[in-house]
Amino acid sequence: AQTVTQSQPEMSVQEAETVTLSCTYDTSESDYYLFWYKQPPSRQMILVIRQEAYKQQNATENRFSVNFQKAAKSFSLKISDSQLGDAAMYFCAYRTITSGTYKYIFGTGTRLKVLA
Amino acid sequence: KAGVTQTPRYLIKTRGQQVTLSCSPISGHRSVSWYQQTPGQGLQFLFEYFSETQRNKGNFPGRFSGRQFSNSRSEMNVSTLELGDSALYLCASSLGPGLAGAEQYFGPGTRLTVT
Repeated sequence: AQTVTQSQPEMSVQEAETVTLSCTYDTSESDYYLFWYKQPPSRQMILVIRQEAYKQQNATENRFSVNFQKAAKSFSLKISDSQLGDAAMYFCAYRTITSGTYKYIFGTGTRLKVLA
Repeated sequence: KAGVTQTPRYLIKTRGQQVTLSCSPISGHRSVSWYQQTPGQGLQFLFEYFSETQRNKGNFPGRFSGRQFSNSRSEMNVSTLELGDSALYLCASSLGPGLAGAEQYFGPGTRLTVT
């Protein structure tokens, strides 16, 4: 069975600085999707970035980028130029695309605090 | 385009009662998934519906059930409520299973409190 591990329950970063959130996963599949979701205090979960396992190039979305290491089963999120609005819970998620089993598996989350 | 909507947003029930939560997906999305979020357990997958059929189910007791209607709207029902069912219930919609449906869009959730 697939698992997703976020080993950092909480992280802090100074405004305008860079922070990296860690995520590791375990799977025997060769093709899958990985996501980072953000859940601000208002509780609405928002998709931040996604990565297809078959793509070697790391995904980027403005200030957000990932470091995808398929062999190491690592998928970290880097937030550059951190802003106060980045404060939230961040969840790493794995989605299998094996036919018939499209379940999402979420990590336990990392709470990011942004210090002014 | 309107986002995922969930009703009600807040609910207080007593042990032993049953509850029904509703989710309306984004227009054009045919897949709806339900999650339970608690501080201790994090996000736990409940089930996923596509084309009115349950496609996947998580490890929850039979008290948790759901259904999907022809317009893709979904309902989740919990019978014989227990204190441990207190949680934020999130609904997420996507285009469908497979590559095109990989991204899920979440609703604001329903906060259920069982007393």
